[in-house]
Parts: sequence; structure tokens; C-alpha cells
Amino acid sequence: NAGVTQTPKFRVLKTGQSMTLLCAQDMNHEYMYWYRQDPGMGLRLIHYSVGEGTTAKGEVPDGYNVSRLKKQNFLLGLESAAPSQTSVYFCASRGDLLAGGNDTQYFGPGTRLTVL
Amino acid sequence: KNEVEQSPQNLTAQEGEFITINCSYSVGISALHWLQQHPGGGIVSLFMLSSGKKKHGRLIATINIQEKHSSLHITASHPRDSAVYICAVPDYGGSQGNLIFGKGTKLSVKP
Repeated sequence: NAGVTQTPKFRVLKTGQSMTLLCAQDMNHEYMYWYRQDPGMGLRLIHYSVGEGTTAKGEVPDGYNVSRLKKQNFLLGLESAAPSQTSVYFCASRGDLLAGGNDTQYFGPGTRLTVL
Repeated sequence: KNEVEQSPQNLTAQEGEFITINCSYSVGISALHWLQQHPGGGIVSLFMLSSGKKKHGRLIATINIQEKHSSLHITASHPRDSAVYICAVPDYGGSQGNLIFGKGTKLSVKP
């Protein structure tokens, strides 16, 4: 099992450019999350999904869009990147409590994004 | 919304010392998580606990539900324990079991 993978690992963008971060999990998890991590702050939730075809806003959703077309993939898009979006982005997944899973989230390795 | 406070923010110890990291939260919870972020950036879950104490190797996590407080202890610390330790609790103001994370405690263990 690869667990949770993220693509790419590093990226540098210019202001106004767009990009998509890909998260993939092979654990058949229902729930998937996108977080950003900034110096001096805890992980903050951007968007999340409770199943294929569903998405919802988290704490800091502005400037980002997401899609969950397949259960194993969760995409995070930046339509017009801004320097304030320079951050490390983490994807995570977890199983469904009602299906015998628990609260434990499994994290990807992170994507370091710099917007100039 | 639950508020999570960790202390200390930074901690430097000598190899072999006993380490304690604290986590307090504002709203009663069903379970609390401790996670470890390696210097390379990867994040792994260490414990999920709802009462009492859990032990895994040299790591011990305790929780006091009434006082809304948890501690993570490391016995006989080693340089490989150097990492950021993060506490997380459920966000009952949100839905779907989302977590709220503390800012983390950066531990450095010197040989």
C-alpha cells in the first residue's frame, strides 16, 4: 500500500498562474482533506470531502477549488495564485466511522508551493 | 469552536531526559489525537485516546477529560525523537469529524 500520495512535491508559481495539486489514496477511505501549514500556525483545513462527488468548505477555502470525481483522488486547484498562498499543503484521508473506521487521519508527504 | 493550546512551543532536551508536552482544549471532546511531524515534513498519527493513558514504546499519552488536558511524555529521549508534536481535537462546530490542530511543539533532543 502506498497510503496517501501527493503530486507534485515542490512547485514555484508566478502570481496569477494556475495549478492543480493531486492527492491519491489506496485505502478505500471515504473522507479526504486538504490542509495548509504555515509557520507559527497549526494545520488549517481548506476543503474536505465525505465521499465521491461531494466537497465542502473548511476554515480557509477562499482562492481554492476542489473536486472528488473518483473516490481515491482529491484535487486542489488554485485558479489564480497569490503570494499569500505560499505554503505547505497536506492531503489526508480517513475511513468512515460507521463502516468500522476510526478518527485517525493518514497524511500525504506534503507539497511545498511558492508563489512569487 | 474548540480552541487548542500547546506548551511549550519549543523544547530542547539532552539525550536521556524525560520529556513532557502539554495540550489544553476548550470544549469537551470524545477523543484527542497526538501526531508527530518529522523534520522532513511527514506527519504520522501517534495516539488517539479518549480516557486514561496509552503507551507505545517510550511514548506515553494521558488525558484528563474533566480538566480538558492531555500530556505526551517521552521517556529516555533520543535524538531521533526530534520532531514537531501536534495535538488535535474534534471540531464540533464543524461537521464530519473534522479536527482542529494545535500549533505544535518543536522538540530537539541533543546527544
